[in-house]
Amino acid sequence: DAGVTQSPTHLIKTRGQQVTLRCSPKSGHDTVSWYQQALGQGPQFIFQYYEEEERQRGNFPDRFSGHQFPNYSSELNVNALLLGDSALYLCASTKRGTDQPQHFGDGTRLSIL
Amino acid sequence: AQSVTQPDIHITVSEGASLELRCNYSFGASPYLFWYVQSPGQGLQLLLKYFSGDTLVQGIKGFEAEFKRSQSSFNLRKPSVHWSDAAEYFCAVGPMNTGFQKLVFGTGTRLLVSP
Repeated sequence: DAGVTQSPTHLIKTRGQQVTLRCSPKSGHDTVSWYQQALGQGPQFIFQYYEEEERQRGNFPDRFSGHQFPNYSSELNVNALLLGDSALYLCASTKRGTDQPQHFGDGTRLSIL
Repeated sequence: AQSVTQPDIHITVSEGASLELRCNYSFGASPYLFWYVQSPGQGLQLLLKYFSGDTLVQGIKGFEAEFKRSQSSFNLRKPSVHWSDAAEYFCAVGPMNTGFQKLVFGTGTRLLVSP
């Protein structure tokens, strides 16, 4: 049973570029959340997707956007990259309507030069 | 405002000694509480969770945590630490609204295990 998978594992971009990160949820899960973890910090909630719609959003600018597909997989898009966007981006999935806790992937390490 | 405080940035424990990691939270209603562990270069692994009921919860790898509502605390304990327990530990809280688990994390405690 595959857990949460994220791609790519590492990515290097330059300021001003845009990036797309991908996530496949754990089998049986339908809700995907994205978190940003800066170096030495705890993860910060970006947003959550269910039924292909953004359901909750944290305190992140509109440069951060997402999408969820009919197969429950998800993408995180970041435009106009800033140096401060360098972080580990974590995807987590769960099953709506249950008490299942969120299961996390291993993350995508994004470095901005 | 919702917040989680992990007052210890680093803790060093001798192998075989007991461990307690502290977590205090501020939340508007009764929250769900979690402890996650993160090894270098990896994602978060759930150690244990508290939703309701018995305030002492058991998790994986021999960890346990006690919920104390009066102190707004959810401290993690282990009676005998192994070298493989060296990692970063995060306490998190979420709303009692199943399926919409926006988690608020603490800043983490890095555990170092000495021989």
